[in-house]
Amino acid sequence: GDSVTQMEGPVTLSEEAFLTINCTYTATGYPSLFWYVQYPGEGLQLLLKATKADDKGSNKGFEATYRKETTSFHLEKGSVQVSDSAVYFCALSEWNDYKLSFGAGTTVTVRA
Amino acid sequence: DAGVTQSPTHLIKTRGQQVTLRCSPKSGHDTVSWYQQALGQGPQFIFQYYEEEERQRGNFPDRFSGHQFPNYSSELNVNALLLGDSALYLCASTFGDTEAFFGQGTRLTVV
Repeated sequence: GDSVTQMEGPVTLSEEAFLTINCTYTATGYPSLFWYVQYPGEGLQLLLKATKADDKGSNKGFEATYRKETTSFHLEKGSVQVSDSAVYFCALSEWNDYKLSFGAGTTVTVRA
Repeated sequence: DAGVTQSPTHLIKTRGQQVTLRCSPKSGHDTVSWYQQALGQGPQFIFQYYEEEERQRGNFPDRFSGHQFPNYSSELNVNALLLGDSALYLCASTFGDTEAFFGQGTRLTVV
């Protein structure tokens, strides 16, 4: 079945550092890929998405590129802020499926 | 727009009891999905409701059941609670292929 594997955390960074969170997936078809973010005490929010190979999703300075050849969708941000402290989830959805399949999440803490 | 609202926010139940969680979808959304998020893990899909019927179900036992009302709101019921049912339960709503919006969740603790 479909699955998502994320880089384990927690990750602690200083402000303005570069952030990468690795995500790889297993799917039977051609999934859409997502990054969701969960701030403390809040629900999940969609951060960015990509629906086909080589698409790049971007939002709020975060980027991720859908790499079919390596089945990856790594999240990157060039200069993090304290406000980026949150749990980040990689997820996928198959074209013929209604559910989202999530990774375990990566906790990111940014220090001032 | 209030977004997706869930109630209650926190709940403590005893093993063997039954619980009902509620979800109101974002305005304009007609589809509701439920997820279970255990501590330190990603959300796991329980089921999805559309047109008042269960459209898809994840790998959860029959103790987990749901309902969708004509106004698109939804309930999640869990019978015979186990300690392992302790988790954050998330509701998400969509309309067609639009982005899924999540509520803040209901924190269920089974003691």
